[in-house]
Amino acid sequence: LAKTTQPISMDSYEGQEVNITCSHNNIATNDYITWYQQFPSQGPRFIIQGYKTKVKNEVASLFIPADRKSSTLSLPRVSLSDTAVYYCLVGDPYNNNDMRFGAGTRLTVKP
Amino acid sequence: EPEVTQTPSHQVTQMGQEVILRCVPISNHLYFYWYRQILGQKVEFLVSFYNNEISEKSEIFDDQFSVERPDGSNFTLKIRSTKLEDSAMYFCASTSSGKDTQYFGPGTRLTVL
Repeated sequence: LAKTTQPISMDSYEGQEVNITCSHNNIATNDYITWYQQFPSQGPRFIIQGYKTKVKNEVASLFIPADRKSSTLSLPRVSLSDTAVYYCLVGDPYNNNDMRFGAGTRLTVKP
Repeated sequence: EPEVTQTPSHQVTQMGQEVILRCVPISNHLYFYWYRQILGQKVEFLVSFYNNEISEKSEIFDDQFSVERPDGSNFTLKIRSTKLEDSAMYFCASTSSGKDTQYFGPGTRLTVL
């Protein structure tokens, strides 16, 4: 399973756009990139998944460059309730969907 | 929206005792998982389960752990003889197919005294 590296923490202010980048240099051809959000004392919650280029949903955007060795989760106009830990995971969901979480990025949104 | 449920929300037990953590996955899901999260640490994969058998397990999932799907709705994690270091949040997750998003339950906080 590809190892991921993310910043340990980030601070932002309400209304700003937040970009969290994840490095996954040894990503395999069949691997997808998935981001989860976790609030304290709750289970992780799926945010977005992609394979290449750009993916967008109602919550976030995911940018993946051509070499796929990194990805960036973009949260538009964050609010206080977006304060959480964000996990980047890389794996082949068609072969083995066991997810191995890293330490994640603790995002703190300030008023 | 359907969701994964877990009971109890908090379990306190004495070291050496057996505990059973219960999960009710989303009804049409076929793949089931257990994870744990020690306080302040990352979420760790324990085991995946499909077609009534374990499909993958981590090095954490040793002989003191077992999983079972005793009926059509419940998915349980049993810890045979709890240790202090088993204290953690235990999350159950399920998915409809091996490639789809995993939906996590709210977790059971296990405290071993």
